[in-house]
Amino acid sequence: NAGVTQTPKFQVLKTGQSMTLQCAQDMNHEYMSWYRQDPGMGLRLIHYSVGAGITDQGEVPNGYNVSRSTTEDFPLRLLSAAPSQTSVYFCASSYSTSLVGTGELFFGEGSRLTVL
Amino acid sequence: KQEVTQIPAALSVPEGENLVLNCSFTDSAIYNLQWFRQDPGKGLTSLLLIQSSQREQTSGRLNASLDKSSGRSTLYIAASQPGDSATYLCAVTGGYQKVTFGTGTKLQVIP
Repeated sequence: NAGVTQTPKFQVLKTGQSMTLQCAQDMNHEYMSWYRQDPGMGLRLIHYSVGAGITDQGEVPNGYNVSRSTTEDFPLRLLSAAPSQTSVYFCASSYSTSLVGTGELFFGEGSRLTVL
Repeated sequence: KQEVTQIPAALSVPEGENLVLNCSFTDSAIYNLQWFRQDPGKGLTSLLLIQSSQREQTSGRLNASLDKSSGRSTLYIAASQPGDSATYLCAVTGGYQKVTFGTGTKLQVIP
C-alpha cells in the first residue's frame, strides 16, 4: 500500500500565483484533512472532509480551497499565493465514524511551499 | 476553542532513562487522543491512539494514559534509546471531527 501520497514535495511560487497541492490515499478512508506546520505554531487544521462531497473549514481556512469529488483524492488549492502561506503542508487520512470520531491518522510526507 | 499544550518544549536525557511527556487540553469533550512521532523533515507517524472511554494504551516501550476529566495525557517511554530522538506531538479529536495538535516536545536521547 502506498498510504497517503502528496505531490509535489517542493514548490516555489511567486506572490499572486495559484497552485494545487495533491493528496491521494489508497486505504478507502472517509476522513481526509490538510494541515500547515510552521515553527513554534504546531500543526494547524486548514480544511477537512468526512466523505466525498463533504468538506468543512478548520482553524486557518482563508486563502485555501478544497473539494472532495472522490474518496481517494483531496486536493488543496491556493487561490492567490502570499508569502504568509510559506509553510510545510501535510495531508492526513483516517477511517471515521460518528461513534468514535476519527481513527488513527496516517500522514503524507509533506509538501514544502515557498512563496516569494 | 480547543487548546492543546505540551510541556516541556524540549527535553534532553541520557540513554536508558525512563521519561514522561505531558499533554494537556482545555475541552474534555473529545473522541480520542493520539500521540505521534515526527523525525526532522518527515511526516508524522502515529504511535498510540486512546479512545475517550479508555484509560491507557501500550505499545512496546511506550505507554500512554488519558485522564479526560482533568484534560491530561502522558506518554511514558521506558529505557530510552538514541533512536527515540524526535519530536513527539499529541492531538485530540473533538466535535465535528476536528483534530487539534499540541506544539510538540523535542526529545534528545544522549548516548
